[in-house]
Amino acid sequence: GAGVSQSPSNKVTEKGKDVELRCDPISGHTALYWYRQRLGQGLEFLIYFQGNSAPDKSGLPSDRFSAERTGESVSTLTIQRTQQEDSAVYLCASSLDSARNYEQYFGPGTRLTVT
Amino acid sequence: AQRVTQPEKLLSVFKGAPVELKCNYSYSGSPELFWYVQYSRQRLQLLLRHISRESIKGFTADLNKGETSFHLKKPFAQEEDSAMYYCALRGTGRRALTFGSGTRLQVQP
Repeated sequence: GAGVSQSPSNKVTEKGKDVELRCDPISGHTALYWYRQRLGQGLEFLIYFQGNSAPDKSGLPSDRFSAERTGESVSTLTIQRTQQEDSAVYLCASSLDSARNYEQYFGPGTRLTVT
Repeated sequence: AQRVTQPEKLLSVFKGAPVELKCNYSYSGSPELFWYVQYSRQRLQLLLRHISRESIKGFTADLNKGETSFHLKKPFAQEEDSAMYYCALRGTGRRALTFGSGTRLQVQP
């Protein structure tokens, strides 16, 4: 079956512009996670959804970052007034549930470059 | 606070040699530990988790709570093992994973 998909695969934007990144999880997966990976670094957690609510937003780096999820399906990560330090690969993952024993399946990522 | 450290950015070995990818963690409770792998032009995928105590593709990892380590080992490396390997931790009551910075394994013929 189809895995987690993300769009766009690449995004180049000018500093100060807003961007929206999309994630389509595996059908039936109720938990959805966003991570960020800067060049040469590990993945940093941003936010996770259980259903349409976000119990843990602790990783969002500033109020320029927000995310929503609708229909217990697609999620959008929005970055307002982008800065050069926002350049990274943004990864989405989903799992059957947020419970501890369920594997997180990752998407291919969106590479964001802020010029 | 929880932290995962992978001290080696790059590990290069010859085919057939043993491999050990190091992972140390900092966490006050009882964590779950994982190894993820990313092959060239593929997405990140789970390799193994400590609670399963399984061997995947010849790799094993033992959680050593005394040394707070979860090193990944394989007795005989294969060229197809070349990839980025990430160690990750999930803390009690948390859903998200904390990742190390990754180690690139190069297996030379």
